[in-house]
Amino acid sequence: GAVVSQHPSRVICKSGTSVKIECRSLDFQATTMFWYRQFPKQSLMLMATSNEGSKATYEQGVEKDKFLINHASLTLSTLTVTSAHPEDSSFYICSARDGTSGLNEQFFGPGTRLTVL
Amino acid sequence: DAKTTQPPSMDCAEGRAANLPCNHSTISGNEYVYWYRQIHSQGPQYIIHGLKNNETNEMASLIITEDRKSSTLILPHATLRDTAVYYCIVRDGEAGTALIFGKGTTLSVSS
Repeated sequence: GAVVSQHPSRVICKSGTSVKIECRSLDFQATTMFWYRQFPKQSLMLMATSNEGSKATYEQGVEKDKFLINHASLTLSTLTVTSAHPEDSSFYICSARDGTSGLNEQFFGPGTRLTVL
Repeated sequence: DAKTTQPPSMDCAEGRAANLPCNHSTISGNEYVYWYRQIHSQGPQYIIHGLKNNETNEMASLIITEDRKSSTLILPHATLRDTAVYYCIVRDGEAGTALIFGKGTTLSVSS
């Protein structure tokens, strides 16, 4: 199956700093990428959808100025958590859709554990 | 909101079949049933999907009722490594929209 990578896998930062998380599709072109957030013992919650070359569409309740998403190429999307605070500590997971295959399959990255002190 | 209902937890003995049910009574004609699982602190892993026919792959079998209002994921010989949260998701197969996760079923496989 297709591979999606995330970097870093784990990050610890101080409150008030910004953190960038990268999501890459390694062997296919991701026309659409999705970002999810997961708090402990909860399910994945969709944050935003981004199409290559377009602005991301954010889900209700997700602050677009706090969670900056860039999808500048067909293999890379980045999520920047600006001015992070302890309540932003969570497991962030990206997913990529191979829009060229006709199958609309969605492949997930391994996740990034963010801890804000 | 998720369009599916799953039991919150299930137990299974190692080596036995694990049958995970899912209700999706409001499914529409162009919506597929997808199953993913998430092992602790990892990204979700695709298992199988289907529209109306039963499906089988190297990981599992998917049985969909004739009226498509429910389905069952079958892991034929569960192992300890199958312990995970299993998510049943209904989605339009052609829209390309995001998968929306419900609470899933926590499957615990024990020896």
